Formats: sequence, C-alpha cells, structure tokens
Amino acid sequence: GAGVSQSPSNKVTEKGKDVELRCDPISGHTALYWYRQSLGQGLEFLIYFQGNSAPDKSGLPSDRFSAERTGGSVSTLTIQRTQQEDSAVYLCASSGQDGLAGVRPTDTQYFGPGTRLTVL
Amino acid sequence: GDSVTQMEGPVTLSEEAFLTINCTYTATGYPSLFWYVQYPGEGLQLLLKATKADDKGSNKGFEATYRKETTSFHLEKGSVQVSDSAVYFCALSGDGGYQKVTFGTGTKLQVIP
Repeated sequence: GAGVSQSPSNKVTEKGKDVELRCDPISGHTALYWYRQSLGQGLEFLIYFQGNSAPDKSGLPSDRFSAERTGGSVSTLTIQRTQQEDSAVYLCASSGQDGLAGVRPTDTQYFGPGTRLTVL
Repeated sequence: GDSVTQMEGPVTLSEEAFLTINCTYTATGYPSLFWYVQYPGEGLQLLLKATKADDKGSNKGFEATYRKETTSFHLEKGSVQVSDSAVYFCALSGDGGYQKVTFGTGTKLQVIP
C-alpha cells in the first residue's frame, strides 16, 4: 500500500484478555518498529525488526508482550493477560534500506495511524 | 543512553507569531536529528531532519539547525498559522548498528486566530 497501515484502529478489551495488533509496513521496507504512546507521554520504543528477526527487543515492558513478523512484511504485537496500564496508542513504523550502506535501514521512519488500546 | 529533552507544552500562540520549540539531546557519536509532527487525529509524520553538524533542516516554513556544540536542534517558524496546531516531537537516531530512534515527550502547539 501507499503507507503503513494498522488494525484495528481502536480496541477495547477487558483486563486479563489477550489482544493482537497488526501492522502492515510500506511494501519493500525491511525495518519495522513498534512504539507505545501513553497519554501525556512521549513515544516509548518497544521492538525493532530487521526482516523477520528482532535484534532489539529491549523495550518490551514485560513477558506478556511479544511480537513476530512473517515474510518480512506483516507484524503482529501480542499482549497477553492485558492490564489497565497497557492502555495506550500502539504505533508501528517502517523504514527502507540505505542503498549505499547495504542492508542498513535508513533513518527516516514512516508511521502508521496507530491502534488505540483501552483495557477496562 | 541516548535521550532527548524538549520544552514542555502546551504552547499557545497567536497567528503570525514567531515559534521556537527547544530541543536538546544526549547521544554518543554523530546522531541524526528529527522533528516529527502529529496533527490532531493523524499519525506521526516527518517534518524535517538534519544528519550532521551545522546542517539545517527545513520544511513548510519550519527550520531547525543541528548544533553539536550546544547539543541542540531547536524548531523555529517565523509566522505560525492555525493549521500548525499539532504536537511536535524532537527525536534522534543513533549512529550505531541500526537507526533506533529516541523521541522526546512532545510539545503541543495551539495557534489561535
């Protein structure tokens, strides 16, 4: 597609339930990032994918959070046993490759519209 | 680790006023610096960037200059419009193995007619 898309746009769930958030990056972008934006806070980095592997998972807040990416394209962020503090907007971004530097991603990230998660 | 500090908002200005949003950073090496903007109800989008010292990024009348000596990347616009009302995020991308981006907390700008 023309840009990064995310689904659902809004998700309301009950505490303790599992949720899956989806990200479709820009076609051909090898790097994919997940962030969390809580009310009144900045963007919190969660995880970075290069292709299907995740060399940096350092931002995942707990083992209830996991993410995968298949086919070097779509990514799913899963939150198990959701808690109220998980309520936030979850943003996905992708970036392409710097042709001069081989597979290193370029530093400009393109963001999706986000998924607003509300845990009751 | 890397960090970005930007002025807290909200910032309220009258139309045609001069805008400055301060941003300072801490990073090793030579990061790239960015301003992203988030308009109401929309996703983040890149506003401008600078990749080396003394570079000036510019777009839509906004400017920011990469000042390594003061580790700053302040955003300026000479005459703001109501349509500039948004949240502005300063960010940096480290020069390590991949361009992990560290964001500031955002500054909300409201421009009133």
